[in-house]
Amino acid sequence: GESVGLHLPTLSVQEGDNSIINCAYSNSASDYFIWYKQESGKGPQFIIDIRSNMDKRQGQRVTVLLNKTVKHLSLQIAATQPGDSAVYFCAAGPGTYKYIFGTGTRLKVLA
Amino acid sequence: DVKVTQSSRYLVKRTGEKVFLECVQDMDHENMFWYRQDPGLGLRLIYFSYDVKMKEKGDIPEGYSVSREKKERFSLILESASTNQTSMYLCASSSNLDSFSGYTFGSGTRLTVV
Repeated sequence: GESVGLHLPTLSVQEGDNSIINCAYSNSASDYFIWYKQESGKGPQFIIDIRSNMDKRQGQRVTVLLNKTVKHLSLQIAATQPGDSAVYFCAAGPGTYKYIFGTGTRLKVLA
Repeated sequence: DVKVTQSSRYLVKRTGEKVFLECVQDMDHENMFWYRQDPGLGLRLIYFSYDVKMKEKGDIPEGYSVSREKKERFSLILESASTNQTSMYLCASSSNLDSFSGYTFGSGTRLTVV
């Protein structure tokens, strides 16, 4: 079946460094990709999305890169801050509500 | 501030009990969702509702039912709770199915079935 998986269960980065979280998906027909994060005790919080007709999209301190050839998605966070500590998830889908969600990478920011 | 409110943060129920998880949103959204979140797994959609009294099964509807009698309220029902339904349950609402950016999630209900 379809799958979405994050490469690392945990990522530790020094405060001020850039973070890169990677994700792989299996369905080449996926058209819409999202990154969201979840802090302890809270619900998921949307970060950024990208559609399959793009290969890069930037937000505030975040960039998502999409490589459809190898079915790979990455989230880059610039100048990582302690407030960025959370579990980060990616998801892929056809562009409606039917997403396949990945398992999550816990980002730890070291002071 | 827009809100999705789940009635209970923690819930402990016995095997075989009928369990109701309630979710209320104050954003007048048409769409509401129930997800389940387990360690090592991503979110999995249980049920989706796109209007009052309208629903669609998600990926894992077995053992669950839903009710949407009013636009703002979406209830998840475990007809006969079992230990494998111990999980974190998340409710969400959205006005737009084309983008996840419009989803607002509740804080979740951690259900333990003993």
